[in-house]
Amino acid sequence: GNSVTQMEGPVTLSEEAFLTINCTYTATGYPSLFWYVQYPGEGLQLLLKATKADDKGSNKGFEATYRKETTSFHLEKGSVQVSDSAVYFCALRRGGADGLTFGKGTHLIIQP
Amino acid sequence: EPEVTQTPSHQVTQMGQEVILRCVPISNHLYFYWYRQILGQKVEFLVSFYNNEISEKSEIFDDQFSVERPDGSNFTLKIRSTKLEDSAMYFCASRDTGGTYEQYFGPGTRLTVT
Repeated sequence: GNSVTQMEGPVTLSEEAFLTINCTYTATGYPSLFWYVQYPGEGLQLLLKATKADDKGSNKGFEATYRKETTSFHLEKGSVQVSDSAVYFCALRRGGADGLTFGKGTHLIIQP
Repeated sequence: EPEVTQTPSHQVTQMGQEVILRCVPISNHLYFYWYRQILGQKVEFLVSFYNNEISEKSEIFDDQFSVERPDGSNFTLKIRSTKLEDSAMYFCASRDTGGTYEQYFGPGTRLTVT
């Protein structure tokens, strides 16, 4: 079946550090891939997405590239801010289906 | 900016009781979803709903669960006879008919079954 595996958190970084949150997936066919972010007390918000191999999604300084050969969709940001502290979820949508399959989420803490 | 809303934010119920979780999707959206997240575990898909019927459901969504769109604005999840293991955060989501498949999530309802 489909599954998403994310690195365990919490991940604690200093402001302006480089961020990588690893995400790998298992799926049949060619899924679409997503990163969602959840700030405290709020719902999940779509951060970025990629729908086919080698696509790069980007938003708010975050980037992720759909790597079919390594079945990965790692989230990166060059210089994190305190306001980036949140829980980040990697997810996939299998072609022909509608429900999303999520990873467990990675809690990111940025210290000033 | 339009948003998905959910009520209540926290629901406490006794085992065996029925609960109804309520959601108001974004007004022009036509696809609706429920997900749940048991504490410390993954966000799990429960069900999707389109054109007044279930379009997809997971193995979790058994006969104890039902969904309904009782009017033009609400979308509800009913659990008939709650179990301790139903304790979780329940998220509602909606999307429009465009090709982006972007789902907009509500803030969630925390259900505690005692």
